[in-house]
Amino acid sequence: QSVLTQPPSVSAAPGEKVTISCSGSSSNIGNNHVSWYQQLPGTAPKLLIYDSNKRTSGIPDRFSGSKSGTSATLGITGLQAGDEADYHCGTWDASLRAYVFGTGTKVTVL
Amino acid sequence: QVQLQEAGPGLVKPSETLSLTCTVSGGSISTSSHYWTWIRQHPGEGLEWLGYIYYSGTTFYNPSLQSRITMSVDTSKNQFSLRLTSVTAADAAVYYCAIRTSPDNWFDPWGQGIQVTVSS
Repeated sequence: QSVLTQPPSVSAAPGEKVTISCSGSSSNIGNNHVSWYQQLPGTAPKLLIYDSNKRTSGIPDRFSGSKSGTSATLGITGLQAGDEADYHCGTWDASLRAYVFGTGTKVTVL
Repeated sequence: QVQLQEAGPGLVKPSETLSLTCTVSGGSISTSSHYWTWIRQHPGEGLEWLGYIYYSGTTFYNPSLQSRITMSVDTSKNQFSLRLTSVTAADAAVYYCAIRTSPDNWFDPWGQGIQVTVSS
């Protein structure tokens, strides 16, 4: 039931920047804030970004979030090996009356 | 710092009922601003919100599972539970419990998750 679309994977070399898109519609991203979750291999998801652009306590400013219209973006600068993980976006969908998550994006550090 | 821990059988037979509990430590399940949440993740796939329950018992279920899902709260044990009836192979997943703090719309923290397999 992934109504939010993310690229399956993105990759970059250490120190470079990656962006992850999360595309939705007016019933979800268009009218609600987005949150982002980092899921390191074999672990539970962890809240990274909330209210579309606010970092959770302890998250470095290398991570940033933004939202425009019916899409949201997670940016990671100064990429590190420890950033290798799956990243998920999420928000409320008023039409489905359900919280929905994105398809997930795997970040690989080359 | 509130922590969550899922528990339950890792193996459920097809057509039977999946029952999981989530124990809350470091905080009270009767906290008025918390919605106690269940989320699952199918192998190699994204996350699926199952629903949440308020300490008073008010529930909000994913409409796609509404006919099969029940959540409850046990304040005496500081636990909340998930029951999913008539399971099939499609219900095999890692099940997570998490907290949504009203009026916010995100989930934090999460439990470590519990793998559930559906097989006879």
